[in-house]
Amino acid sequence: GENVEQHPSTLSVQEGDSAVIKCTYSDSASNYFPWYKQELGKRPQLIIDIRSNVGEKKDQRIAVTLNKTAKHFSLHITETQPEDSAVYFCAASKGAGSYQLTFGKGTKLSVIP
Amino acid sequence: DVKVTQSSRYLVKRTGEKVFLECVQDMDHENMFWYRQDPGLGLRLIYFSYDVKMKEKGDIPEGYSVSREKKERFSLILESASTNQTSMYLCASSSGLAGGFWNEQFFGPGTRLTVL
Repeated sequence: GENVEQHPSTLSVQEGDSAVIKCTYSDSASNYFPWYKQELGKRPQLIIDIRSNVGEKKDQRIAVTLNKTAKHFSLHITETQPEDSAVYFCAASKGAGSYQLTFGKGTKLSVIP
Repeated sequence: DVKVTQSSRYLVKRTGEKVFLECVQDMDHENMFWYRQDPGLGLRLIYFSYDVKMKEKGDIPEGYSVSREKKERFSLILESASTNQTSMYLCASSSGLAGGFWNEQFFGPGTRLTVL
């Protein structure tokens, strides 16, 4: 089955710096890669996603890149702010047409003011 | 706005009890999911359902069962609760596949279950 590895598990950055979180997946048929943000005590919420027919997607300070050949995708947050502090999860669909997502173990991002 | 609600935020049960966790979504979504979330392990899929009365096992179904009698409601059942089922349980829903691609999963607030 699908396996998703996420690194690093914790990340501390100074406010204004960039943060990068990386994920690798094992199933070459996976075609959907969302990123979820979970603030302390709250539910996970989708912040950005990418489908296998594109290589990069941006939304303001957040961008995701996908390398299908290498089977990895990354989340980039620029000009970090204290409110970016949260746990971030990557996920990959379990093969094309599958109803399931496999999640990474999460990255706890701390933005230091 | 999609709303996914769960019956309890906190629940304390005794070992051996039968436990029901309820999830309701109000957006007519076809797919519903139950995950458990444990520190350092991320979100792990227990069961999911893609239609009424349809269910499929996820990655960790042992010790759990589910029921989906109505489209908007998906229940997770612990037949005989054990201490290793102490965890945060998250429900999610999504609409069906569109053009072969996934749609966003919307999560409920979670139920923190403690089994003593």
